[in-house]
Amino acid sequence: GESVGLHLPTLSVQEGDNSIINCAYSNSASDYFIWYKQESGKGPQFIIDIRSNMDKRQGQRVTVLLNKTVKHLSLQIAATQPGDSAVYFCAEPYTGTASKLTFGTGTRLQVTL
Amino acid sequence: KAGVTQTPRYLIKTRGQQVTLSCSPISGHRSVSWYQQTPGQGLQFLFEYFSETQRNKGNFPGRFSGRQFSNSRSEMNVSTLELGDSALYLCASSIQGGGNQPQHFGDGTRLSIL
Repeated sequence: GESVGLHLPTLSVQEGDNSIINCAYSNSASDYFIWYKQESGKGPQFIIDIRSNMDKRQGQRVTVLLNKTVKHLSLQIAATQPGDSAVYFCAEPYTGTASKLTFGTGTRLQVTL
Repeated sequence: KAGVTQTPRYLIKTRGQQVTLSCSPISGHRSVSWYQQTPGQGLQFLFEYFSETQRNKGNFPGRFSGRQFSNSRSEMNVSTLELGDSALYLCASSIQGGGNQPQHFGDGTRLSIL
């Protein structure tokens, strides 16, 4: 079936630096993508989403970029903080009527002081 | 507004037993989806309920079942438990379901099979 995958399993950044987490997707028909953050012992937390009619969307300290030509997403976190340490997933909803998400394998972000 | 609530947070069972997990969605959300998270397989979709009807199902055996009540609360049942069922079971809710809105997750039920 279709899949969503991540390029890097672990990313280590220094506090204050910017982080970039990448994700590739395979379903060219997908028109909506979501980024989630999962801290240890907790469920995935919604960070930001983007629809395919956009190339870029900004939130608080986060920006998601979508390149439909190469089927690639990235999540940029500005001025990374220790509280940003978590596993980050991109997710692709099923293109039908059901609420079914396909998740990438996840990238662990480690923030060093 | 309260988030998605899952109970219990932790469960320990033995092989062959059955278990029921509960999920209360965000108020006003009518779609509830269930996921299994393991280190080896990641996050995998189990099934989704909307208006008390199962709308979609993932690739899991029939031992995994669920239901939804008229107040949108949902339960998931696993019968004849196997060691491989040890996982974090996550519930997510959204307003109407469908592929164009985010799902919001609870903190899960950690199920351990001995």
